[in-house]
Amino acid sequence: DTAVSQTPKYLVTQMGNDKSIKCEQNLGHDTMYWYKQDSKKFLKIMFSYNNKELIINETVPNRFSPKSPDKAHLNLHINSLELGDSAVYFCASSTPGGRDNEQFFGPGTRLTVL
Amino acid sequence: DAKTTQPNSMESNEEEPVHLPCNHSTISGTDYIHWYRQLPSQGPEYVIHGLTSNVNNRMASLAIAEDRKSSTLILHRATLRDAAVYYCIHAGLNYGGSQGNLIFGKGTKLSVKP
Repeated sequence: DTAVSQTPKYLVTQMGNDKSIKCEQNLGHDTMYWYKQDSKKFLKIMFSYNNKELIINETVPNRFSPKSPDKAHLNLHINSLELGDSAVYFCASSTPGGRDNEQFFGPGTRLTVL
Repeated sequence: DAKTTQPNSMESNEEEPVHLPCNHSTISGTDYIHWYRQLPSQGPEYVIHGLTSNVNNRMASLAIAEDRKSSTLILHRATLRDAAVYYCIHAGLNYGGSQGNLIFGKGTKLSVKP
């Protein structure tokens, strides 16, 4: 069974559209994350979220918003897509009291904005 | 910004040991040292972590300097499947908060020759 899954794997869309990427983890973890990997392969944290706290990287535009319907899901919604949003987005999860912040990553969603 | 320094790339021959160095001179006393790797077209994958003592697991060994300002990831027998970008990270325990977020640097791209 896949521990952290993301859908879709590929997403091609036009500038100005609104899109969502879904993430699910079946590990029973309390904390989930979204990372962005740009064309230069830099991986940057966008959000970390658990039941109590949402931490937003201050460089993330407010067009990006995480939405968590329950503990096992953290979806990423993006409004008014821009060319610079093209990247690979990774979801991850971890658990407090676990292996000291060992994070489990999903396979990534490659977003292309035309 | 990333707080670790790693060589951009390294090469190894298959079935030989590989020593991947990392400098983390600004590490605090409570930060763990983590290593992740990212295989081509995949999400990052946890490799190993430690605090002060050297650590061994089925994937690798982690040698931590006595002053904790540097560490070395050791792959005992490199295989073709170990070709990846290896990231050295130090992070606090308080995930769910910004301290626990993993700050990825550029990493070391390891190539393994048959």
